[in-house]
Amino acid sequence: DVKVTQSSRYLVKRTGEKVFLECVQDMDHENMFWYRQDPGLGLRLIYFSYDVKMKEKGDIPEGYSVSREKKERFSLILESASTNQTSMYLCASSLPPGQGARGYTFGSGTRLTVV
Amino acid sequence: DQQVKQNSPSLSVQEGRISILNCDYTNSMFDYFLWYKKYPAEGPTFLISISSIKDKNEDGRFTVFLNKSAKHLSLHIVPSQPGDSAVYFCAAGGGGQGGSEKLVFGKGTKLTVNP
Repeated sequence: DVKVTQSSRYLVKRTGEKVFLECVQDMDHENMFWYRQDPGLGLRLIYFSYDVKMKEKGDIPEGYSVSREKKERFSLILESASTNQTSMYLCASSLPPGQGARGYTFGSGTRLTVV
Repeated sequence: DQQVKQNSPSLSVQEGRISILNCDYTNSMFDYFLWYKKYPAEGPTFLISISSIKDKNEDGRFTVFLNKSAKHLSLHIVPSQPGDSAVYFCAAGGGGQGGSEKLVFGKGTKLTVNP
């Protein structure tokens, strides 16, 4: 009954590496989001997408990019990983307003450590 | 500027007693509020929601109260159980965010229920 799947639960990468975090949802949701969660800072929005090939910056997009080539898949890319990108990364999806239940469905998260 | 605030980073209660988690918001355009629960190393899961046309919504041991005039909502858990120990995030939607409906999250409150 898994609906939002993040490809890795734990990742360890080296500084300067290009890192891909993958997220797939099977609910035919238009909207997809990438957040990071850090202690004391809550959930901070990195990027979101409301349609295939569409993307918008969130509150902290620096150092990240995204790709949405298919409706069900939303990828987060760390162009050159740095230690301050060590975090829990959360993917979520939702329907547009008026098209069903509101709110997000989250994936299980990816704990990324950059060394 | 935080539009959704959870002013208590942590809360500790005894098993069987009531847990009350609070959330304040500033944007009067919000028309939908949600609570998510998050265990360590897992993604947030939806707990309960309330529309702005209501002042109370109940689901088992969980009740959310909304006071629109005070721009305040609270989550009551009665009776509290050790398995309720988690971080609880308050979220709000509908604040003029357009088709993508970005939720705005508080920073979370860590609830510890002691046996």
